This record gives sequence, C-alpha cells and structure tokens, in this order.
Amino acid sequence: LAKTTQPISMDSYEGQEVNITCSHNNIATNDYITWYQQFPSQGPRFIIQGYKTKVTNEVASLFIPADRKSSTLSLPRVSLSDTAVYYCLVGSLNSGAGSYQLTFGKGTKLSVIP
Amino acid sequence: ETGVTQTPRHLVMGMTNKKSLKCEQHLGHNAMYWYKQSAKKPLELMFVYSLEERVENNSVPSRFSPECPNSSHLFLHLHTLQPEDSALYLCASSQGLAGNQETQYFGPGTRLLVL
Repeated sequence: LAKTTQPISMDSYEGQEVNITCSHNNIATNDYITWYQQFPSQGPRFIIQGYKTKVTNEVASLFIPADRKSSTLSLPRVSLSDTAVYYCLVGSLNSGAGSYQLTFGKGTKLSVIP
Repeated sequence: ETGVTQTPRHLVMGMTNKKSLKCEQHLGHNAMYWYKQSAKKPLELMFVYSLEERVENNSVPSRFSPECPNSSHLFLHLHTLQPEDSALYLCASSQGLAGNQETQYFGPGTRLLVL
C-alpha cells in the first residue's frame, strides 16, 4: 500500500512559486501520481498527473525523480485564489490479490498572503 | 461543474433514521466511488464500483450500504448511524479505475450531520 506524506501547511506570498512535495516510498511499478486541489465545501479537482520525470500543463508542473519515491507539485506565481488544500494520490489495482487501493495524503493547506 | 452531481447537499438525521445519498455522473464513466471526509482525517475511500460491480469495500461498517443500479448512478443508503459518521461524503467517477492513469471527477459532496 503506497502511503503518502505531505506537509500539513504552507504559506506563500502572491506572485511566488510554491513547491509542495509528497513522499510515497512504497509506490508500485504501475502507479501514477495525481494531484488534486480542494476548496472549502467542494470536492477535489484534478490538477496534474504523471508517472516519471516532468509534466507541465497550464496550471502546474509535476516533478518526479527517477526512483519515484516522491513528487513535487510546482505552482508558478500563486494568487489568492490558489489558497486551498492540495492532495497527492497514488493508487493501484492489485488484481493478483483482488484488492484495490487508493491512498490520498492528508493534504497540504496552502495559504496565499497578499 | 464537474459533471458529477450529488443530492442532497446537506442532510441532518437522527441515529434511528434511514436516508439515502444519491450521486449521478453525466460523463459516460465506468467507475464510481464513495469517499468520506472528516474534519481531521484524510479522504477515506469507502466503496468502488466498476461497470456496476463492487470492486472494493474498505472495511466500512454495515450501516453504510452502497448501491449502483447502473453506470451513471450511485447510492449510499444510511441506517442507524452514529454521531461520528458526521462528515462530508463525496462521490467521484472516472473512465476506468483510478490510479493507473485515470483521473477522478468529484461531486460537491453531501454534508451529513448525525444527531
């Protein structure tokens, strides 16, 4: 079971780049790493997903080292509207054991300060 | 708007009541999920359905009973709940089973209070 660990909270000023790291030491070979954003009283929303190296989309970048035991979500030039909780997720379908596991981290509460 | 709707958005029930939460997805997905989110705990996966068959039941008490009549609808039937069951219940869907390059689309959740 790929357990994930993230910092509980982070503060940043507007316009800065924010990097949030997630540890997942037991990640399985076929697991992808997905990051979600959640605002209060809403469901999580997909941000970015990757398997290895670097992935970039219009809102974020995801850096995954070669050993895949951690990943870093990078948010460029954050604004006040980026204040939210960010979750990393790894999951696996262990068809051999007949089990299915999805493990969300406890999330990182990002506060963007004016 | 994610294409996943949940009703009701808020629910207050007594411990002897029976109620149901409803989730509907308009995305043509094949997998649906129930999660529980408490104030001080991470998102907990409760149930997973793929093509209307239950894939996983993460040791959830029997007072929670899921039902997936078709690939677009998912229910969570509640009976004799405890105050500690008060939480935000989130429904999600994905094209295939999430984890292996599949992403989930979450509904807004049902805020449940058990008195």
